Amino acid sequence: EAQVVESGGGLVRPGGSLRLSCVASGFSFSDAWMSWVRRAPGKGLEWLGRIKKKADGGTTEYAAPVKGRFTISRDDSKDTLYLQMDSLKSEDTGVYSCVTGGHYFGAWGQGTLVTVSS
Amino acid sequence: QSALTQPASLSGSPGQSITISCAGTSSDVGGGDFVSWYQQHPGKTPKLMIYDVSVRASGVPHRFFGSKSGNTASLTISGLQAEDEAYYYCSSYTNGVIFGGGTKLTVL
Repeated sequence: EAQVVESGGGLVRPGGSLRLSCVASGFSFSDAWMSWVRRAPGKGLEWLGRIKKKADGGTTEYAAPVKGRFTISRDDSKDTLYLQMDSLKSEDTGVYSCVTGGHYFGAWGQGTLVTVSS
Repeated sequence: QSALTQPASLSGSPGQSITISCAGTSSDVGGGDFVSWYQQHPGKTPKLMIYDVSVRASGVPHRFFGSKSGNTASLTISGLQAEDEAYYYCSSYTNGVIFGGGTKLTVL
């Protein structure tokens, strides 16, 4: 069974940075496109971006609200997905989840909470 | 891109059929065949039910049927069962992925 587990969330000040990790198991991570999704308090699901598998170029695509501030990367040798978040804003507060897939999402993690506040 | 529009809540009795709508625009739902649906029970992670408009994910009962007409996608659940009570979310990929706001389905 495919599983993903996120870590790295926490409290960060506006303008700060944070790196989230997502460890995958139960499937061939190197063959998977992966995405990050978040849910802000009281709001709906928001897709942040995706990374293709290396065989498909390993390229990334981002949603407009985070483009230029967030970077998705992967380390297939560690079955791990990353989300580097810079220039964080209060509106980035939410639960961040790692998901398998690029345009539909088969496995979801429980998420890690990121709070951006002074 | 704005969120896709779903009814906030729906209800039905066991055995009935219900349809959850997911309204978008020609730039998202109407612009491709990448609509998916997710079921989420309280305290659980979302479960993929339907992808590419009408393809059932592995293990999903045939009671769940996805379709699309123009800029609106739909998820129809026939023979409603108690365990179908959950939140349902649609999503669409064209230029990025957007989600609907979610529909709370209550089985009376």
